[in-house]
Amino acid sequence: EVQLVESGGGLVQPGGSLRLSCAASGFNSFKYAMGWVRQAPGKGLQWVSSISASGLSTYYIDSVKGRFTISRDNSKSTLFLQMNSLRADDTAIYYCARAAGDMITLGGILTFWGQGTLVTVSS
Amino acid sequence: EIVMTQSPATVSVSPGERATLSCRASQSVRTDLAWYQQKPGQAPTLLIYGASTRATGVPARFSGSGSGTEFTLTISTLQSEDFAVYYCQQYSNWPPITFGQGTRLEIK
Repeated sequence: EVQLVESGGGLVQPGGSLRLSCAASGFNSFKYAMGWVRQAPGKGLQWVSSISASGLSTYYIDSVKGRFTISRDNSKSTLFLQMNSLRADDTAIYYCARAAGDMITLGGILTFWGQGTLVTVSS
Repeated sequence: EIVMTQSPATVSVSPGERATLSCRASQSVRTDLAWYQQKPGQAPTLLIYGASTRATGVPARFSGSGSGTEFTLTISTLQSEDFAVYYCQQYSNWPPITFGQGTRLEIK
């Protein structure tokens, strides 16, 4: 059974940093692209970032480029999102998702999702 | 960036009836279109990919159609557990992956 468990969310002041983790199990992580999708309170879904199965290719939405870094450790089946220079509009539930395969087309089909971790940016 | 637009924002349907949800892309996405269901307090789940292929375990009452810029999700014979928010998402030309704003399916 595929399981994705996020952690690392919390309350942080504007300008601060957080590192989200997503522990994956039930599949060979080195075969699948993975990503992060966020959902602001009461709002819709917004893709944030994706990473190829190897970790060599990374992609970001424009609003987080230069502030967020996605990475993965396939030996530990763990996905990360390092978030720096956080702003109030980064407040959201952050979901980890596994793609249907590796890039490009299959990497965009988000087959499995974790339950999410809440990030609140506020002073 | 490809903009996805869903309509209507909210649709009210009685249990046992059919629901039809629409999604439009600002440019062709071929059939690189997925649908997700999200229930309150839960993560989204994949329903449909490739515009019309049901994900594993998705009941046959869910069907998707369309290509290019116009897509439809049809839920025949609505069950109580189907009342949720539905999102379409394109993966034809990414990054960025883009979602529609969602359609809330509520009980009439």
